Amino acid sequence: QQQVKQSPQSLIVQKGGISIINCAYENTAFDYFPWYQQFPGKGPALLIAIRPDVSEKKEGRFTISFNKSAKQFSLHIMDSQPGDSATYFCAAKGQAGTALIFGKGTTLSVSS
Amino acid sequence: NAGVTQTPKFQVLKTGQSMTLQCAQDMNHEYMSWYRQDPGMGLRLIHYSVGAGITDQGEVPNGYNVSRSTTEDFPLRLLSAAPSQTSVYFCASRGLAGVSYNEQFFGPGTRLTVL
Repeated sequence: QQQVKQSPQSLIVQKGGISIINCAYENTAFDYFPWYQQFPGKGPALLIAIRPDVSEKKEGRFTISFNKSAKQFSLHIMDSQPGDSATYFCAAKGQAGTALIFGKGTTLSVSS
Repeated sequence: NAGVTQTPKFQVLKTGQSMTLQCAQDMNHEYMSWYRQDPGMGLRLIHYSVGAGITDQGEVPNGYNVSRSTTEDFPLRLLSAAPSQTSVYFCASRGLAGVSYNEQFFGPGTRLTVL
């Protein structure tokens, strides 16, 4: 049973454009929603995260939008750059000792 | 502060062989976990631990064993390697309290091929 569904599987965006990746979750006990960025040959690294008590969080060019009633959250990358080309994973977890559950990932290519 | 370290970086096994993937962290994190990453499948949880002496199964535990005798180390054992275990394995850790307790740190990965 996949608890976090991520789309699209791959995305091609022109330099300067907006990249949007969407995720949906099922478990209402989840209370932490991070996005991880992974470059080829490296481990995933935390990019940005949100708690369900806010609807949006912005850090530089990266924004998470969160819709608690729809059980959906998304990552927006503004002014996308070739250096943003990577695989992005959404994830979710519940209380402190529970596992971080990942979506299947989105491969983003930003063309110059 | 080395963070999360994994050894080896690459490994080739023959079917039926056993081996241990090593993972260590120097951040005094209580929570440690192992994931495998396969194309199109994302990161799937194998086993996790919330502290020394405590382990539990994740989504895909079959064929793998873990133990947690110290806070720092969390080795993953393949009992009898199968081609289906060809994958990239990531170890991760995080704290269970404190300001940034939710942030999970990943190691660089071990790329395993089973022939």
